[in-house]
Amino acid sequence: AQKITQTQPGMFVQEKEAVTLDCTYDTSDPSYGLFWYKQPSSGEMIFLIYQGSYDQQNATEGRYSLNFQKARKSANLVISASQLGDSAMYFCAMKRGGYQKVTFGTGTKLQVIP
Amino acid sequence: NAGVTQTPKFQVLKTGQSMTLQCAQDMNHNSMYWYRQDPGMGLRLIYYSASEGTTDKGEVPNGYNVSRLNKREFSLRLESAAPSQTSVYFCASSEVGISPGGYTFGSGTRLTVV
Repeated sequence: AQKITQTQPGMFVQEKEAVTLDCTYDTSDPSYGLFWYKQPSSGEMIFLIYQGSYDQQNATEGRYSLNFQKARKSANLVISASQLGDSAMYFCAMKRGGYQKVTFGTGTKLQVIP
Repeated sequence: NAGVTQTPKFQVLKTGQSMTLQCAQDMNHNSMYWYRQDPGMGLRLIYYSASEGTTDKGEVPNGYNVSRLNKREFSLRLESAAPSQTSVYFCASSEVGISPGGYTFGSGTRLTVV
């Protein structure tokens, strides 16, 4: 069975600082995809970034980067230069190749302090 | 705009009442999903449909039924609502297999059962 673990229920970061949100995963499949979603207080789920298990380089999307350490089975999200609008819940998720289901972690609530 | 449309956005039910949550996507995705989100538990899969004509149980299917009406529409039915079904429900769609875009989510339905 696949599992996603986010061990930080909540985090604070100063505006303009960088922050790392932790995510570890457990799967024996060689082919999988890892995702991060943002859920602001308004409730919608916003896709942020994707990393494939065979990708050689860490994924980046603007201020978001994914620190992918395959041997450690970790996929941490790094947000650079935090903004007040980054305050939200962040979910890590995984989809295994050949399966249609995506498994989500329990989320990390990030609060950016001015 | 293309995406996933859920209705209704809010609903209050009395225990024992029934209702159907509607979901439609116009992204030509084959796979559709229903998740529920509860505080501290992340998103849990209720049912999914890998392709038109197929449905499968997810992690928490008890008390729910689904219908994949056509490629665009995937509905979730509560036959006899219980207070434990108070939650936020998300519909999502995706391509088959692992795609960088992951899921596209609807805006959610906040359901309260009293």
